[in-house]
Amino acid sequence: GAVVSQHPSWVICKSGTSVKIECRSLDFQATTMFWYRQFPKQSLMLMATSNEGSKATYEQGVEKDKFLINHASLTLSTLTVTSAHPEDSSFYICSAPPGQGYSSNQPQHFGDGTRLSIL
Amino acid sequence: GESVGLHLPTLSVQEGDNSIINCAYSNSASDYFIWYKQESGKGPQFIIDIRSNMDKRQGQRVTVLLNKTVKHLSLQIAATQPGDSAVYFCAETHGGSQGNLIFGKGTKLSVKP
Repeated sequence: GAVVSQHPSWVICKSGTSVKIECRSLDFQATTMFWYRQFPKQSLMLMATSNEGSKATYEQGVEKDKFLINHASLTLSTLTVTSAHPEDSSFYICSAPPGQGYSSNQPQHFGDGTRLSIL
Repeated sequence: GESVGLHLPTLSVQEGDNSIINCAYSNSASDYFIWYKQESGKGPQFIIDIRSNMDKRQGQRVTVLLNKTVKHLSLQIAATQPGDSAVYFCAETHGGSQGNLIFGKGTKLSVKP
């Protein structure tokens, strides 16, 4: 079945560092991918929609310059947390609907997330 | 949309019993609903989905019920097993675009052996 892979699974770094997280669709192409953030014991909150070949669409309240998204190919989207601070520590999860484009008829497939800890 | 809670409701059941996890959704325009299971340190895993033109759908050991009148969704797990222990989220979307996937608060299911 459709598989989404995230890398790295866990990152610990110093405040002020920029961190890149990769999201790959392994056996299908994804023109659209989604990035979520999840704080402990809370639900997933959509941060942005990553669009292959065009600019990402950010949800209200999410800083575009803070969370840089690049979707350079049909199988890879990256999220870069720039100048990360302790408050950016969270669980970041990506997802993609199987097949090109997306519809309400098929569920999104999620990666296993990246736990980001900023010291 | 759904508000995000600061703590997770917990459901504790005995192994072999049936579990019922409930979810209230907020948008009457939502037309597609999904249940996800999330184990600790992992991403959500698809369990079952249902469209708004249905009120019941069954899978293997799981059943989803949709009550559009009161905007309520439930997940029933038959013969609950220890491996079912996880956090369960309902998610809703509308307008044919899963980019507007809105997750509920989540319920932590603990199965006692």
